[in-house]
Amino acid sequence: EADIYQTPRYLVIGTGKKITLECSQTMGHDKMYWYQQDPGMELHLIHYSYGVNSTEKGDLSSESTVSRIRTEHFPLTLESARPSHTSQYLCASSFQGGDEQFFGPGTRLTVL
Amino acid sequence: GENVEQHPSTLSVQEGDSAVIKCTYSDSASNYFPWYKQELGKGPQLIIDIRSNVGEKKDQRIAVTLNKTAKHFSLHITETQPEDSAVYFCAASFMDSNYQLIWGAGTKLIIKP
Repeated sequence: EADIYQTPRYLVIGTGKKITLECSQTMGHDKMYWYQQDPGMELHLIHYSYGVNSTEKGDLSSESTVSRIRTEHFPLTLESARPSHTSQYLCASSFQGGDEQFFGPGTRLTVL
Repeated sequence: GENVEQHPSTLSVQEGDSAVIKCTYSDSASNYFPWYKQELGKGPQLIIDIRSNVGEKKDQRIAVTLNKTAKHFSLHITETQPEDSAVYFCAASFMDSNYQLIWGAGTKLIIKP
């Protein structure tokens, strides 16, 4: 079992609220990723990071932002949540020179 | 743009039979092709991967084959068991996406007892 954690696991909020999804890993991985996944569907990369102070946008346009101040922590923030943000958000990490991505259990977000 | 197509979307097989899932990719420069298994309520987990310089790779009941000319790769599961029931995703890395993974749409594998 990979040591990567996401909180909360489930979140139901109203439109317009600011939210932060937490992701932490204890494996010392340099690279971290955020994916958006509708139930049973493909994963879409929304953000990734090569290391501290590095953040890049993925192939799926997203209104979220990320930060990477510490190696182990990669939070994702939505300034103003909308119903279109309802989805599952998966965090993953990997070694800098490695290919395997280790995933957290995901946060299922519902915006009413 | 880069694309990975995966078929079928749902596959139901009798326990003990074999299952095959196929993916095609758009960019001949792709060089890395992993397969992930996602169980209910969990994140995906890597089960096997292959690089473009290899045609086939096996790990116990699981194998992956790659046809670079036809730009497709397949996952083979033999002697299926109930615990194989899950959603399986293929992916490919593309140079134009900075070698980040582009994912297939997933296959829900159902093992009938």
